[in-house]
Amino acid sequence: AQSVSQHNHHVILSEAASLELGCNYSYGGTVNLFWYVQYPGQHLQLLLKYFSGDPLVKGIKGFEAEFIKSKFSFNLRKPSVQWSDTAEYFCAVIPSGGGADGLTFGKGTHLIIQP
Amino acid sequence: NAGVTQTPKFQVLKTGQSMTLQCAQDMNHEYMSWYRQDPGMGLRLIHYSVGAGITDQGEVPNGYNVSRSTTEDFPLRLLSAAPSQTSVYFCASSYSGGFLDTIYFGEGSWLTVV
Repeated sequence: AQSVSQHNHHVILSEAASLELGCNYSYGGTVNLFWYVQYPGQHLQLLLKYFSGDPLVKGIKGFEAEFIKSKFSFNLRKPSVQWSDTAEYFCAVIPSGGGADGLTFGKGTHLIIQP
Repeated sequence: NAGVTQTPKFQVLKTGQSMTLQCAQDMNHEYMSWYRQDPGMGLRLIHYSVGAGITDQGEVPNGYNVSRSTTEDFPLRLLSAAPSQTSVYFCASSYSGGFLDTIYFGEGSWLTVV
């Protein structure tokens, strides 16, 4: 079975700082990768996803992520964060060949942006 | 287009009570699932269904029951609520379970068991 590890549980940044949230997965085959965001009191929303092709994926709200297969990583980046980026961020993985038992999520990173 | 709809949004139960969390989707998705979200634990899969009449257990199924009589609905039943089931519950749906498409989440149901 697959697993996901998010390195930072809490991150505090100032506005305009650059962001990188780490995500590593463990699985013996090919995978699809996702980053979800959960704003306070809201449900999960998809930020971006990687299925195949260009390993640099661009998502909504200026986020991007790079899939590095050799490192089993899918780190989330944003060049300049805003106060409105304060949220919980989840990395998730599912085997490309079919994952009937659903997405496997990391434990999440709580991001706080200080004005 | 309502997407994934969960009810109720908030619920307080006493230990030993039973209840059903409702989930409905209007996207004709075959795959539906229930997750629970706990602080520091991320989301963990409770049960899932790959189509009407087919359900299976996820990572943390104990104390929960599901059925899938129609494509649209996937209710989650708590048989005898325990304080350990205090959590936020999310229903999700997709065409294929996420390996070909995006998974859509409901807005969550906040459950407290006292």
